[in-house]
Amino acid sequence: GESVGLHLPTLSVQEGDNSIINCAYSNSASDYFIWYKQESGKGPQFIIDIRSNMDKRQGQRVTVLLNKTVKHLSLQIAATQPGDSAVYFCAENRHNGNKLVFGAGTILRVKS
Amino acid sequence: DADVTQTPRNRITKTGKRIMLECSQTKGHDRMYWYRQDPGLGLRLIYYSFDVKDINKGEISDGYSVSRQAQAKFSLSLESAIPNQTALYFCATSDPGPAGPYGYTFGSGTRLTVV
Repeated sequence: GESVGLHLPTLSVQEGDNSIINCAYSNSASDYFIWYKQESGKGPQFIIDIRSNMDKRQGQRVTVLLNKTVKHLSLQIAATQPGDSAVYFCAENRHNGNKLVFGAGTILRVKS
Repeated sequence: DADVTQTPRNRITKTGKRIMLECSQTKGHDRMYWYRQDPGLGLRLIYYSFDVKDINKGEISDGYSVSRQAQAKFSLSLESAIPNQTALYFCATSDPGPAGPYGYTFGSGTRLTVV
């Protein structure tokens, strides 16, 4: 189900360090996962996706890891930069589902 | 130009008024969605449409209605706005099946305040 609450978890990292943002998904039948980045005043933007037949996928400075056993997804950002400061959402698509289900998000703050 | 355009960007309206939020897209996608975002909550689905003749309720459709005027246009209406509909509203599009290569493409959002 959804995460419900008024306050999002926040991750503060020093510029240049690596960031790891975690997400627990709800449905073992989900077969496609996406990470989105949402900057202040903007709509969510696609970062990286992964299908359930994979456990790792790499992009430019980002890596997504999928652990289906514990229904856990993580986003790793290498050499975090100030421009990475945003809210990060995971989303899952249930097998044969027609729409994505979104997590509540994590705030990433990068300290210079 | 943006792939998914929402108008207005910001709107303040009074309780009881009818208001329409509009969304247009140039991506040629069949599937369009309206989501609502509240502080501390994830995106919640209001309505979605898989083609011009298809309209489906999402998880929080009460108090809202939609119209799919064309493949490229999907509007959301609040028939009689109430303060707890104050939120950030997003329109999104996707290829058939949300598991298209890049999932959803979102608009920039409409910030609605009901006073």
